[in-house]
Amino acid sequence: TQLLEQSPQFLSIQEGENLTVYCNSSSVFSSLQWYRQEPGEGPVLLVTVVTGGEVKKLKRLTFQFGDARKDSSLHITAAQPGDTGLYLCAGVNIQGAQKLVFGQGTRLTINP
Amino acid sequence: EAGVTQFPSHSVIEKGQTVTLRCDPISGHDNLYWYRRVMGKEIKFLLHFVKESKQDESGMPNNRFLAERTGGTYSTLKVQPAELEDSGVYFCASSQDLLGLAPTDTQYFGPGTRLTVL
Repeated sequence: TQLLEQSPQFLSIQEGENLTVYCNSSSVFSSLQWYRQEPGEGPVLLVTVVTGGEVKKLKRLTFQFGDARKDSSLHITAAQPGDTGLYLCAGVNIQGAQKLVFGQGTRLTINP
Repeated sequence: EAGVTQFPSHSVIEKGQTVTLRCDPISGHDNLYWYRRVMGKEIKFLLHFVKESKQDESGMPNNRFLAERTGGTYSTLKVQPAELEDSGVYFCASSQDLLGLAPTDTQYFGPGTRLTVL
């Protein structure tokens, strides 16, 4: 069974600080996705990383896929209160078999 | 374009009762997935439909769960009889068939159905 260990599970920081969320696994994934989920809604895709070592940027968010495609990180620069939410990583294990393996999520709170 | 919709948004039932959850995917999406998040745990895959066929049902917990997608449009997930451990949030997601054109499809999630079994 493939598992994704996501850390930290909870993070509360002040506006303007930087933060990094990690997803780690002993398994190789063909791609890895990051989602954001708001209360009462389903997860919404932020980004997909496919190639080992790939880095993608979405404004102040930087996503990286590990060289071995077993881990990923999400880095937020100068966090804003609007970044508050639940962030989820999810791995796709085999190309063509599209079921997602989710991490437990990181509940992020940015205090003004 | 309408997103994925799920009904009901909340359901509270007694242990031993039956509940049916419904998911309407985005129009034209052949792939439909069911996931579940039990409190304190990660979201877990239940099953995957391609049109009306079950592509992968490896995540279904046991035979008390029955998923259908007649006609390849909306899907239902029936739990009969419900047990306490079935409580959680059930998500449905849909995606287009990319025919191998991209390594990963984009799954669009519905808002979920929160099921509470007392």
